[in-house]
Amino acid sequence: QKEVEQNSGPLSVPEGAIASLNCTYSDRGSQSFFWYRQYSGKSPELIMSIYSNGDKEDGRFTAQLNKASQYVSLLIRDSQPSDSATYLCAVNTFSGGSNYKLTFGKGTLLTVNP
Amino acid sequence: DAGVTQSPTHLIKTRGQQVTLRCSPKSGHDTVSWYQQALGQGPQFIFQYYEEEERQRGNFPDRFSGHQFPNYSSELNVNALLLGDSALYLCASSLRSDTDTQYFGPGTRLTVL
Repeated sequence: QKEVEQNSGPLSVPEGAIASLNCTYSDRGSQSFFWYRQYSGKSPELIMSIYSNGDKEDGRFTAQLNKASQYVSLLIRDSQPSDSATYLCAVNTFSGGSNYKLTFGKGTLLTVNP
Repeated sequence: DAGVTQSPTHLIKTRGQQVTLRCSPKSGHDTVSWYQQALGQGPQFIFQYYEEEERQRGNFPDRFSGHQFPNYSSELNVNALLLGDSALYLCASSLRSDTDTQYFGPGTRLTVL
């Protein structure tokens, strides 16, 4: 069973719409959750982190966490063509001792059409 | 404030060769993690270094090794290259006290022929 799963996409939305990206994880002990944006040929860039159940808003981005359902999501409001990228969900998973490692999903490709 | 830097940008090797990739962490950071990202996949954790020691390791064979220097910079070495080692290799730096917040370098694209 994959540790972090994302809807495979690609996801295509019109400019100005809300894009919804989803992620589930298997490690119930995980405490830290992240969304990274990766443009084609570039490295991942951290856009949101969330640690508590509920919603966290930052500009046009809202991260949602439900630990009971082991579910994380990212909403992008008023989507812009510049939001077109692959969005990676990452979870801090226990790796032994007192160590945690970042485990990534495969990513969801988002295309925002003008 | 210098961000994470990696060298080289691109590299082409043949099967069986050895390669060394380099990373300088963001100013003030003391922890370096390495990831392999194959095409169409998310980054996979290789290992993490702080205080010049490997502190944890992902599911990668011993052909993958590393080093951290006193100035916190790091190297990733891969021996006996296989075609399947072709990938984007990413270095991420963080503070030991906050390894959650990782900043990625631009990556090194390795092609094995």
